[in-house]
Amino acid sequence: EPEVTQTPSHQVTQMGQEVILRCVPISNHLYFYWYRQILGQKVEFLVSFYNNEISEKSEIFDDQFSVERPDGSNFTLKIRSTKLEDSAMYFCATKQGTNTGELFFGEGSRLTVL
Amino acid sequence: AQSVTQPDIHITVSEGASLELRCNYSYGATPYLFWYVQSPGQGLQLLLKYFSGDTLVQGIKGFEAEFKRSQSSFNLRKPSVHWSDAAEYFCAVLYNQGGKLIFGQGTELSVKP
Repeated sequence: EPEVTQTPSHQVTQMGQEVILRCVPISNHLYFYWYRQILGQKVEFLVSFYNNEISEKSEIFDDQFSVERPDGSNFTLKIRSTKLEDSAMYFCATKQGTNTGELFFGEGSRLTVL
Repeated sequence: AQSVTQPDIHITVSEGASLELRCNYSYGATPYLFWYVQSPGQGLQLLLKYFSGDTLVQGIKGFEAEFKRSQSSFNLRKPSVHWSDAAEYFCAVLYNQGGKLIFGQGTELSVKP
């Protein structure tokens, strides 16, 4: 069964460092997302990406965050200068098209900022 | 504003007992609704979804959910819980065709022998 894969599964970093989280989408999917879950809280939408550009972003997704598909396969989330409050589980999700509505989630990347 | 409420933060049931997890939503139009399950250290797995049609939807692992427009609810049920069902369950509504999901707070399910 096709799946969304994320790397790394866990990353520990120092405050102020740059972090890149990677996602390999399901091959025929066209829509890509990043969600975040701070420990003990709900899953929150960060950003959606379609046709090589951001289609929607939340208030959380400020200038410290960026996304891209550098090689047409990986979908990355970059946090330029991490803060303590960026510690969370980051989920990548992908969707085939607008009509299905079903998002397929990866297993998540846990980011710990010290 | 669109929102999803899961009133029960934690539920404990005995193995073999029935289960109902509550979900209420606030949404202006006909909602697309989902239930996801998250086992410890794992990602989110889709249990079932409602887009239209029959208001009782069947999902994986023996779960079902019923959409009740009059109550703005989409409760998840299972007639007989297994120990492996212990996990966190999230209800979500599709905010727009772009795929943004609004999640509830989650309900943690514990199963006692």
